Amino acid sequence: GDSVTQMEGPVTLSEEAFLTINCTYTATGYPSLFWYVQYPGEGLQLLLKATKADDKGSNKGFEATYRKETTSFHLEKGSVQVSDSAVYFCALYIIQGAQKLVFGQGTRLTINP
Amino acid sequence: EPEVTQTPSHQVTQMGQEVILRCVPISNHLYFYWYRQILGQKVEFLVSFYNNEISEKSEIFDDQFSVERPDGSNFTLKIRSTKLEDSAMYFCASRKGGVGEQYFGPGTRLTVT
Repeated sequence: GDSVTQMEGPVTLSEEAFLTINCTYTATGYPSLFWYVQYPGEGLQLLLKATKADDKGSNKGFEATYRKETTSFHLEKGSVQVSDSAVYFCALYIIQGAQKLVFGQGTRLTINP
Repeated sequence: EPEVTQTPSHQVTQMGQEVILRCVPISNHLYFYWYRQILGQKVEFLVSFYNNEISEKSEIFDDQFSVERPDGSNFTLKIRSTKLEDSAMYFCASRKGGVGEQYFGPGTRLTVT
């Protein structure tokens, strides 16, 4: 079935460090891919998305490229800030039917000043 | 900016009791969802709801669960007889229509003792 695997957390970095959070997926067909972020006490917010192979999603300095050949959608940011501390979820979007999301387990990121 | 709201933020109940989790989706959205996340595990799809009926449900969503849109604004998830393993964070989401982003609420943490 469809599934998403994220790198294990928690991840702790210093401010201005480079961030990569790995995400790979298994899917039938051609799903859209999403990164959601959850700040403390808040709901899941869409961070970025890509709808087809080789698309790059970007937002707030974060980027991820839809790689069909490696079935990956890794999240990157060149210089993280304390305010980026949150839980990050990779998800694939099943467009058929009810359009549900299939999530990875989430990666908790902490940025120290 | 419109947002999805959920109440209560935390619910503690005894095993065997009924609980109702409440959500107010964004007002012009047509599709509604419940997801849950057991602590340390993935966010899992439970059910989707459109046009006053369930459009898809997961195998988790057994006869103990039900959903309802009792009026024009609320969307509820009822668990008839809670079990210890129902302890989780429950997220409500809504989307407008077409192939669109799902907007999530902040979640209700359910603790069954």
